Amino acid sequence: QVQLVQSGAEVKKPGASVKVSCKASGYTFTDNYMYWVRQAPGQGLQWMGWINPRNGGTNYAQMFQGWVTMTRDTSTTTAFMVLSSLKPDDTAMYYCARDRGGDPRGAIDVWGQGTMVTVSS
Amino acid sequence: QSALTQPASVSGSPGQSITISCTGSSSDVGGYNFVSWYQQHPGKAPKLMIYDVSNRPSGVSNRFSGSKSGNTASLTISGLQAEDEADYYCSSYTSSSRGLFGTGTEVTVL
Repeated sequence: QVQLVQSGAEVKKPGASVKVSCKASGYTFTDNYMYWVRQAPGQGLQWMGWINPRNGGTNYAQMFQGWVTMTRDTSTTTAFMVLSSLKPDDTAMYYCARDRGGDPRGAIDVWGQGTMVTVSS
Repeated sequence: QSALTQPASVSGSPGQSITISCTGSSSDVGGYNFVSWYQQHPGKAPKLMIYDVSNRPSGVSNRFSGSKSGNTASLTISGLQAEDEADYYCSSYTSSSRGLFGTGTEVTVL
């Protein structure tokens, strides 16, 4: 079945970077856009950006431009998200999520289990 | 715009119908038929309930329906059930080819 399996929880100090991975299986990795979405504790969903696994093209939300990087490795069908210069406010659950279609319409039909990133000194 | 506007909470009795609104602008909700709705239970990942304004994915109950008028999209839950108690989020494609989520609505079944 279609699955997205993310890397485990992380604890980072302010100013550090974090890299979260998302292993896709059960479908053709390059057929569907991949999103990254975060949710701070008790807060709503926040769209971070997308990557087109076919060509590596990206589009980041304005507030994350300059400090988020999304990449992919087609040989291992894995997407990656790096967030740098971490602040305590970046403490959140980070999800990778797949668009149901071949363009970034935002219809997310499969979600990873989430990776909790805690930023604390 | 940082988020689409949803009511913070909506409640209803079992069997009733409720509607959740999602208000944006002509650059997102009003400009495209690419509005989705998600249900999220505590501690769980969101689940797609509606996509492209009014389409239901396979396996989603037909008690859930979506619509749009101008810059406002709506999710209606008919025949409200206890299991529908959850947070609901809308999202929309935007003119910058990005996505935008709503502020979220907590649905309570009385």
